[in-house]
Amino acid sequence: QVQLVQSGAEVKKPGASVKVSCKASGYTFTRYYIHWVRQAPGQGLEWVGKIDPSGGRTSYAQKLQGRITMTRDTTRNTVYMDLSSLRSEDTAVYYCARDGGGSISYSDYWGQGTLVSVPS
Amino acid sequence: DIQMTQSPSSLSASVGDRVTITCRASQTISTSLNWFQQKPGKAPKLLIYAASSLQSGVPSSFSGSGSGTDFTLTIASLQPDDFATYYCQQTFRIPQTFGQGTKVEIK
Repeated sequence: QVQLVQSGAEVKKPGASVKVSCKASGYTFTRYYIHWVRQAPGQGLEWVGKIDPSGGRTSYAQKLQGRITMTRDTTRNTVYMDLSSLRSEDTAVYYCARDGGGSISYSDYWGQGTLVSVPS
Repeated sequence: DIQMTQSPSSLSASVGDRVTITCRASQTISTSLNWFQQKPGKAPKLLIYAASSLQSGVPSSFSGSGSGTDFTLTIASLQPDDFATYYCQQTFRIPQTFGQGTKVEIK
């Protein structure tokens, strides 16, 4: 069965960096894009970016450009999201999600979420 | 960015009620519209993709419709497990954007 398992919660100081991992299993890793979505406490969902695990091509939310990097390790079936220069407003649960669509994009499987806390 | 506006922001309903949630895009998005259900402390769950296609395993009481800028999620008969927050999402253009959510509560 398809599973996305994320790394554990992180507490970081302002200005630090965090790297969250998302390990995929149950399907061919390189065939499906992975999206990252975040949710601040009590707030809605915000798209962060996506990565093509096949070639590594990425696309990021403009507001995070310059601070975010997504990478993948095809030998470990794992994608990583690295966020630098952390601010209190980056405090959120970060989810990875598989894009199960082809020409139409939709996130059909989600990780359990990783809480990143940046106390001010 | 494409803005997604859901209405209402919250609603109270009883088990067995028919519930309709609407989502409007700030520009045309064809049928590139998904609906998710989220419960507290859990990841979102895909209900409907491409505006009207029911995701595998989702009860047939859920349905979606619309194209262009106006979309609807309908729950034909609300069940106890359906009390949650619902989000629409457009995937027509990057960045993908979500509506602000509709919280469905028990009356």
